[in-house]
Amino acid sequence: SQQGEEDPQALSIQEGENATMNCSYKTSINNLQWYRQNSGRGLVHLILIRSNEREKHSGRLRVTLDTSKKSSSLLITASRAADTASYFCATRTGANNLFFGTGTRLTVIP
Amino acid sequence: EADIYQTPRYLVIGTGKKITLECSQTMGHDKMYWYQQDPGMELHLIHYSYGVNSTEKGDLSSESTVSRIRTEHFPLTLESARPSHTSQYLCASSDGGKDTEAFFGQGTRLTVV
Repeated sequence: SQQGEEDPQALSIQEGENATMNCSYKTSINNLQWYRQNSGRGLVHLILIRSNEREKHSGRLRVTLDTSKKSSSLLITASRAADTASYFCATRTGANNLFFGTGTRLTVIP
Repeated sequence: EADIYQTPRYLVIGTGKKITLECSQTMGHDKMYWYQQDPGMELHLIHYSYGVNSTEKGDLSSESTVSRIRTEHFPLTLESARPSHTSQYLCASSDGGKDTEAFFGQGTRLTVV
């Protein structure tokens, strides 16, 4: 990957459970963003966390960032079947381009 | 819904044909990007532009070319398509600030036979 890896590659949970996805990256960043992709479609932005922030919330989403470990996690609480999608982290670097991780396929079983 | 559009959504063409994938955005964004997405999901940046008459190659080498004659339009061209070009191509745009999100089109799924 250009920037890093996501873990796990695939995750299957029951509706109502929490889902946690992790992202690691390689270089210094300006911010880290999470995106969602439904099958065969474009990506949709979920949340952005700046390099000087440690945690951010948006609805059922919670993102953490540890710049010392070059890692981030996305937590989706009380998952729903409609959360089934692929989730990508992306880092914006000094060059201002946006580089994506390898993605996690989340399946929420009703 | 993001105001960024890609056409066509699906394209099946024969080897050796010249093709242009269209991408247009109505948000006035300076920055535009083309990503190629593997079947295994990873997105690779193949081209980007910071404004009119600015185009740069991304980190993944690509035989495609791009142009940016107008702010809203960022087409990608393959002069001679090959089966190895079969992939999903995603166009995105963002405004000039660094703490901004990217808006994506729905993608073009290209199959070269």
